[in-house]
Amino acid sequence: AQRVTQPEKLLSVFKGAPVELKCNYSYSGSPELFWYVQYSRQRLQLLLRHISRESIKGFTADLNKGETSFHLKKPFAQEEDSAMYYCALRSRWPSGSRLTFGEGTQLTVNP
Amino acid sequence: DVKVTQSSRYLVKRTGEKVFLECVQDMDHENMFWYRQDPGLGLRLIYFSYDVKMKEKGDIPEGYSVSREKKERFSLILESASTNQTSMYLCASSFSWQYGYTFGSGTRLTVV
Repeated sequence: AQRVTQPEKLLSVFKGAPVELKCNYSYSGSPELFWYVQYSRQRLQLLLRHISRESIKGFTADLNKGETSFHLKKPFAQEEDSAMYYCALRSRWPSGSRLTFGEGTQLTVNP
Repeated sequence: DVKVTQSSRYLVKRTGEKVFLECVQDMDHENMFWYRQDPGLGLRLIYFSYDVKMKEKGDIPEGYSVSREKKERFSLILESASTNQTSMYLCASSFSWQYGYTFGSGTRLTVV
């Protein structure tokens, strides 16, 4: 069965420091992973997708199949990055696809 | 430009009541989903639907049912609300998984 694990419920860094939010997954097929973000009082929204190899708001994430990880990184954290971050794994269903989400990591960037 | 609308932001219901949570999307998406969001547990899939009148159970369907009579509307039903169903409920829709999900603003349900 598919599973996504985010080992850190809370992460606190100072502005300008590097930040890494960890995500590990288990899935028997070829994984497709996403990061979603929820800022305070806002809707959950897509941050980035591994298939597009994009960098959004300075964040990047590399899929490491050997370590079954998809950690989210940013070299210099900003206060506006404070939010809840969810890692998600796409799994195939007979009738389509669905996303399985991790437990989430609350990131706080201190001034 | 609100695209996924959940009819109520906050709801308070009594134990044993039948509760309807409504979700409407205006993007002509075929795929719609209901999740509940709990601290420390993340988002857990309750039910999803890939077409009108079609539904699939997610990971935690017990105590819930859904209805999709029209493409744009996906309703979550708590047949007999219980206190352990107190949670934030999120509706989402998608055109295709590659483009991600569009989420509603959520309904915070309290069952007393």
